[in-house]
Amino acid sequence: GDSVTQTEGQVTVSESKSLIINCTYSATSIGYPNLFWYVRYPGEGLQLLLKVITAGQKGSSRGFEATYNKEATSFHLQKASVQESDSAVYYCALSGGGRALIFGTGTTVSVSP
Amino acid sequence: DPKIIQKPKYLVAVTGSEKILICEQYLGHNAMYWYRQSAKKPLEFMFSYSYQKLMDNQTASSRFQPQSSKKNHLDLQITALKPDDSATYFCASSQPTGGIANSDYTFGSGTRLLVI
Repeated sequence: GDSVTQTEGQVTVSESKSLIINCTYSATSIGYPNLFWYVRYPGEGLQLLLKVITAGQKGSSRGFEATYNKEATSFHLQKASVQESDSAVYYCALSGGGRALIFGTGTTVSVSP
Repeated sequence: DPKIIQKPKYLVAVTGSEKILICEQYLGHNAMYWYRQSAKKPLEFMFSYSYQKLMDNQTASSRFQPQSSKKNHLDLQITALKPDDSATYFCASSQPTGGIANSDYTFGSGTRLLVI
C-alpha cells in the first residue's frame, strides 16, 4: 500500500543551526502523489506548511523548503537557521488517487536557545 | 477563533462504554475527515465525507460510526470502547474543488481519548 516514512521521531537542534527532517514515501497505487508537510504547534491543530504537486519542484514557506524527488521518492524538509518558535511536530504526508491524506509518524523538533 | 472545534479536548472512558466525539467546522468546507493517532504510530485516516456523504472508510471496526447531522458537523460515535482505542482523534475539513486528494486540509486540535 501507500505509505510515508519519517525515520527520526525526535530531533533537537540549537537555535540558528540548520535542520533537516527526512521523509520518504511509497506510492504503489498513485502514479504522481501530491506531497505535503504539516506542522503542529503545542496545543494547536495541524497546519499546512507547504505542498508540492509536481515532481522536481520545490516548495517553501516560513523559511522551510522541500523538494519533490521522484527518483529517490523523498521529500525532505530543510531550514537553514531555526528559531525557538520552530519547535513543533512536523508531519510528512501524501495524497492522490482520489484518496485522503496519508501521514508519516511525525518528527518532534525541539529548538534550544 | 478556532475554525474547527473539537469537543471535548480530553476524555476518559471506561472499557465497554460509548462516547461521541464532536467536530464542527466554520470554514464553509464541504469535505470532512477523521484521523486517529496512537502513540508512536502515524496519523491514521479513518473516514472522509463529502457533501455529507461517506466517501471512504478505512476503519476496520463498525464500532466507529461517523454522524453528519449538518453540513458543518461530523461527529464520531465509538461504541464498546477498548483500551486500544486510546488515541488522539483529529477532525479535519477541506474544500474539495479539485477532489479530496488535491485539497488543503484544516485540522482541529484533537480530542485525546483514554480508555481505562
